[in-house]
Amino acid sequence: NAGVTQTPKFQVLKTGQSMTLQCAQDMNHNSMYWYRQDPGMGLRLIYYSASEGTTDKGEVPNGYNVSRLNKREFSLRLESAAPSQTSVYFCASKTGYEQYFGPGTRLTVT
Amino acid sequence: RKEVEQDPGPFNVPEGATVAFNCTYSNSASQSFFWYRQDCRKEPKLLMSVYSSGNEDGRFTAQLNRASQYISLLIRDSKLSDSATYLCVVNLRTGSSASKIIFGSGTRLSIRP
Repeated sequence: NAGVTQTPKFQVLKTGQSMTLQCAQDMNHNSMYWYRQDPGMGLRLIYYSASEGTTDKGEVPNGYNVSRLNKREFSLRLESAAPSQTSVYFCASKTGYEQYFGPGTRLTVT
Repeated sequence: RKEVEQDPGPFNVPEGATVAFNCTYSNSASQSFFWYRQDCRKEPKLLMSVYSSGNEDGRFTAQLNRASQYISLLIRDSKLSDSATYLCVVNLRTGSSASKIIFGSGTRLSIRP
């Protein structure tokens, strides 16, 4: 039981490049989330998916798209990366009230 | 005003000390409350839920004060391994079946030998 896994762990992009962050969970949870964490700002919700086939915007969705591929997988795409998207990205899944987080992706956009 | 506010710290206390953090929330409709722990460069993990009656887990005690809209975390007999950032989390009901999870920006705790 791996919990929540994320790939890649680290990534450096140039401005304007695109990439997809992958997330998978093996706990059979319906709800999945993407957050970004910046110093002094806490975790901010980018997008979430309450169940397979549904996605909704969170607090800071601009510049991102998501896909809930199936119950296990929830990916986050940056179509045209900007330096403001330099951050640590966490994926999470939820059962009841407890969220389980992946180990994070550290993204730097130059 | 932020929906969930925490003193960022850092709190720097000696091993064995008792330390307490508070967290305030702005929406009185907030329903459930949690403390998460986040180690440096790691993901957040649930430390404990916070109930109206208060709850204790070993050296950790969490309290909720709905009238004043704050929650607290008390750590007794602190250990070096307690050094981490503690995140206050509030779950707010936004609809009949929808809710919003709001994270505070965290309080950093450093325990010195």
